[in-house]
Amino acid sequence: KAGVTQTPRYLIKTRGQQVTLSCSPISGHRSVSWYQQTPGQGLQFLFEYFSETQRNKGNFPGRFSGRQFSNSRSEMNVSTLELGDSALYLCASSLGSYGPTEAFFGQGTRLTVV
Amino acid sequence: EDQVTQSPEALRLQEGESSSLNCSYTVSGLRGLFWYRQDPGKGPEFLFTLYSAGEEKEKERLKATLTKKESFLHITAPKPEDSATYLCAVQLSGGSYIPTFGRGTSLIVHP
Repeated sequence: KAGVTQTPRYLIKTRGQQVTLSCSPISGHRSVSWYQQTPGQGLQFLFEYFSETQRNKGNFPGRFSGRQFSNSRSEMNVSTLELGDSALYLCASSLGSYGPTEAFFGQGTRLTVV
Repeated sequence: EDQVTQSPEALRLQEGESSSLNCSYTVSGLRGLFWYRQDPGKGPEFLFTLYSAGEEKEKERLKATLTKKESFLHITAPKPEDSATYLCAVQLSGGSYIPTFGRGTSLIVHP
């Protein structure tokens, strides 16, 4: 059974640019959640998508957005990048009956903003 | 104010030296508490879910327990391959079910 796949693994972007990250969940999982992980703030919830609808949203500015496709694959977009957006972005998939529980995480995308 | 606090931040053990990691939470209306293991450069790996006080779960050398205000992850006779960061997260009942993670405990087991 294939795990959660995130692409790309590494990204370097310039301040002010935008970036799109991709996540393919485990087959059959309908919930996809996105997290930001930094040394200073730890693991923080961004948003969750379930059946193509945003079901939950964390406390992040509107520059962070996402979407989910009919095949459950998800993308996350960050516009007008800031230096503070440098982080490991993790995607997690789950069956999704009670929100993003018992999630299976991908290896993450390491984003560096210069 | 942090809702989930993990202690200690870092722990060094000798191989075979058993110990416990703590995860305390201040939220009310807990739906579930989750433990994850994270290796450097990788995403967290799900370990356990605990739903009610008194519940225990075991997996190899790991045993997770839950009380009304905290959870313990007991590591019995650890091996170097148990070295990792252990994260706990809580999820509230009702509402949005957004999980809140602790900062983690970095465990190093020396051979």
